[in-house]
Amino acid sequence: ILNVEQSPQSLHVQEGDSTNFTCSFPSSNFYALHWYRWETAKSPEALFVMTLNGDEKKKGRISATLNTKEGYSYLYIKGSQPEDSATYLCAFSKSSGDKLTFGTGTRLAVRP
Amino acid sequence: GAVVSQHPSWVICKSGTSVKIECRSLDFQATTMFWYRQFPKQSLMLMATSNEGSKATYEQGVEKDKFLINHASLTLSTLTVTSAHPEDSSFYICSARDPLAGLSYEQFFGPGTRLTVL
Repeated sequence: ILNVEQSPQSLHVQEGDSTNFTCSFPSSNFYALHWYRWETAKSPEALFVMTLNGDEKKKGRISATLNTKEGYSYLYIKGSQPEDSATYLCAFSKSSGDKLTFGTGTRLAVRP
Repeated sequence: GAVVSQHPSWVICKSGTSVKIECRSLDFQATTMFWYRQFPKQSLMLMATSNEGSKATYEQGVEKDKFLINHASLTLSTLTVTSAHPEDSSFYICSARDPLAGLSYEQFFGPGTRLTVL
């Protein structure tokens, strides 16, 4: 049974704060780690797909790192804005065509 | 690009009736689509993988006779919940893979369908 865990479950921060979340996943048979941003009533939006140990990816104020040997990924948001409020999901896959196994997500609320 | 739509966005039905949910890839052809379900406070759980022109592959514990999946074209997959019961009330969401995209294993999601069975 694959177990993808995310922490914290929820987070409330003030506008301008920087924050980070954790995603842990099985380190064996790893293929890719996906991060999604999911706003209420919208489609989950792909942020990053990472495949190589040590990968670091950045998109504006959001960045992510990957450690496949120990089975974790961090997502960082620098200078949080109210529009960053969403649920951030990570998902793990074992092969290129394989299903995604999701964590339960981290719900971020950014106060103006 | 890579937009996936889902219809309806919400539906309420009586116990015993069937409900059909559509998933469309609007600007690409999706040879593979996935159907997920999410119960409150739980993660998205894969129900089945739908391949165009062939039978869907169901995950363990998902009844194929209850959740009928049809992927008759490269842009449309449908999920029919047959003889729905209150315990089928959930959030159903589809995703599609674009084999021609740079990252062919990336999945693009629809906005989901909230099903409530009375």
